[in-house]
This record gives sequence, structure tokens and C-alpha cells, in this order.
Amino acid sequence: DAKTTQPPSMDCAEGRAANLPCNHSTISGNEYVYWYRQIHSQGPQYIIHGLKNNETNEMASLIITEDRKSSTLILPHATLRDTAVYYCIVRKSGGSNYKLTFGKGTLLTVNP
Amino acid sequence: NAGVTQTPKFRVLKTGQSMTLLCAQDMNHEYMYWYRQDPGMGLRLIHYSVGEGTTAKGEVPDGYNVSRLKKQNFLLGLESAAPSQTSVYFCASSPPQGIVVANVLTFGAGSRLTVL
Repeated sequence: DAKTTQPPSMDCAEGRAANLPCNHSTISGNEYVYWYRQIHSQGPQYIIHGLKNNETNEMASLIITEDRKSSTLILPHATLRDTAVYYCIVRKSGGSNYKLTFGKGTLLTVNP
Repeated sequence: NAGVTQTPKFRVLKTGQSMTLLCAQDMNHEYMYWYRQDPGMGLRLIHYSVGEGTTAKGEVPDGYNVSRLKKQNFLLGLESAAPSQTSVYFCASSPPQGIVVANVLTFGAGSRLTVL
């Protein structure tokens, strides 16, 4: 799996868009980008994933650069409840390695 | 639809005692996982199962045993608890490998275990 790099922490004002970057410069063609988040003391929660096209769901948008070496998770209108650690993970579909590796992620703090 | 349910949520053990954590999922997922999370260490995979009757070791399996007698349940056992096993334990499940959503894990709320 490709290595990912995320800033350790970010702040965002409530109601504003939160843009969380992730660098994955060694990503290969069959690897997807997945985002999870973990609110304090809770289990991680899946947010969104994508291969090369931008994706949007009810929780967030995922923007992947054309060269796929980086991506941005966008929370369009951050709320206090979005304060959490956000994990960017790169994995290929299938394969025999079942271990999903969670790094240290980005602690997003949404301020009132 | 409950998703992934873990019991108990909290437990305090004395060194040497044994216990079992139960994970139950109602999504008909093939794969199930046990992770532990310690401060500064992130999530580490203990054991996983790719189907009923099968189990395999993950990253940190020592001191733990697992069983998957039924598709919907995945049990994590500590035969002789040690203080180093004080942690928060998360169970997760996912559809089978070979498809993109295999990496979309649904996690339980966690079980906080303290070993004195």
C-alpha cells in the first residue's frame, strides 16, 4: 500500500468548509483512496473513497488531483460534531493483505 | 439495523484472569477484524477472519485467541490477561476482498479493557 502523509492537526471555523489534505505520491494505478474519521472514544467511521474521479456523498467530497499524487477531503459546512481524527488510507481492491493500516491522521478541531 | 455490536463496553480484570469480548454483526459481512488502539500507537490488527470457521493472525496476535463459529459473531479471548493488554478494542466487519468496498469497514463502538 502506498504511504500517505497528512498534517497532524488543523483548525476550522464552524460553518466554514474544512479542507483536509493527503499526500500519496507513490500511489499506483489500482489503488484507491479511502477516508475514515474517528470521533473521540468512538470507533472509526468510513467517509468516502475514490480512484481518480472526484466523489461526493452526504458526508463529504473527495477531490483527487489529476496525477493522483494527492487528494483533499472537503467537509462543506463543518460543525462542532465534525471534530475528529481523519485518516487517509490508500489501498488496492482485492489482494491478500487484509490489514487496513491507520496512520496518525489529522486532528481536525472545529471551533465555534 | 444495529451494524457491529461489541460487548462488554467496559471491563476491569486482574492480571491472570481470562475473558472474552464478543462482536456481532448483522450485515451478513464475510470478513471480521479485531483491532486494539493504544495512545500514540494507532489502530493495530490483532486477528481477522475471512469467513465462518476461519481465523488468521494480524499484526499483534500474541496473548489473544479468536473464534468464528458463526458468520455473524467473532470472539476475542484473553486466556491470561496482562497489564500490557490494557487497551480499547474495536471490532469491525466488511464485505469480501476482491471488491472495492472490501476496504469499507464498519466498526463497533469499542470495548475498553483495563488489566490491573
